[in-house]
Amino acid sequence: GAVVSQHPSWVICKSGTSVKIECRSLDFQATTMFWYRQFPKQSLMLMATSNEGSKATYEQGVEKDKFLINHASLTLSTLTVTSAHPEDSSFYICSAREMRGGLNTEAFFGQGTRLTVV
Amino acid sequence: GQQLNQSPQSMFIQEGEDVSMNCTSSSIFNTWLWYKQEPGEGPVLLIALYKAGELTSNGRLTAQFGITRKDSFLNISASIPSDVGIYFCAGLPSGTYKYIFGTGTRLKVLA
Repeated sequence: GAVVSQHPSWVICKSGTSVKIECRSLDFQATTMFWYRQFPKQSLMLMATSNEGSKATYEQGVEKDKFLINHASLTLSTLTVTSAHPEDSSFYICSAREMRGGLNTEAFFGQGTRLTVV
Repeated sequence: GQQLNQSPQSMFIQEGEDVSMNCTSSSIFNTWLWYKQEPGEGPVLLIALYKAGELTSNGRLTAQFGITRKDSFLNISASIPSDVGIYFCAGLPSGTYKYIFGTGTRLKVLA
């Protein structure tokens, strides 16, 4: 399967600072990337959809000014958690799909980023 | 957000036993995916299904796309300790581009 690389795998930051997480598709062009948040022992919660060259689409209840998403190229999307607070501590995961002519394609996930805000 | 009904929530089984889990939805799906997630890692794709009635295997894993297009099943035969993890189904509703995830099945295998 396709490879999606997410970096960093874990980060600890001070409250009030910002943290950037990168998601790269290594062997395919991902026209669409998705950012998820996962709480302990729960399923994945979709935060936003990132489309190359356009603004991200945020799910209801997700603050777009707090979770900044940039998808500047077909292989890279970034999620920046701005002015992080302890309640933002979570496991963040990206996934990428190669959209081929409207055909359904699989979604491949990055390794995830464990964010701890102290 | 919307989630699929996945069952069972958790399973404790003996090594060598077979495992079955399923996901159901109230709406029709075009695609079903099955993932395995281990602690501290992202989900890894196991099997992808694209047609109603499709039956696909990946080693000891077999998954089926339900004929009604509203459900899917995953079977693991002859389980081994490394099968431990959380298994998620994901479905793509007709007319959309966002996958919806099941609530997960936590599998523990006793040696």
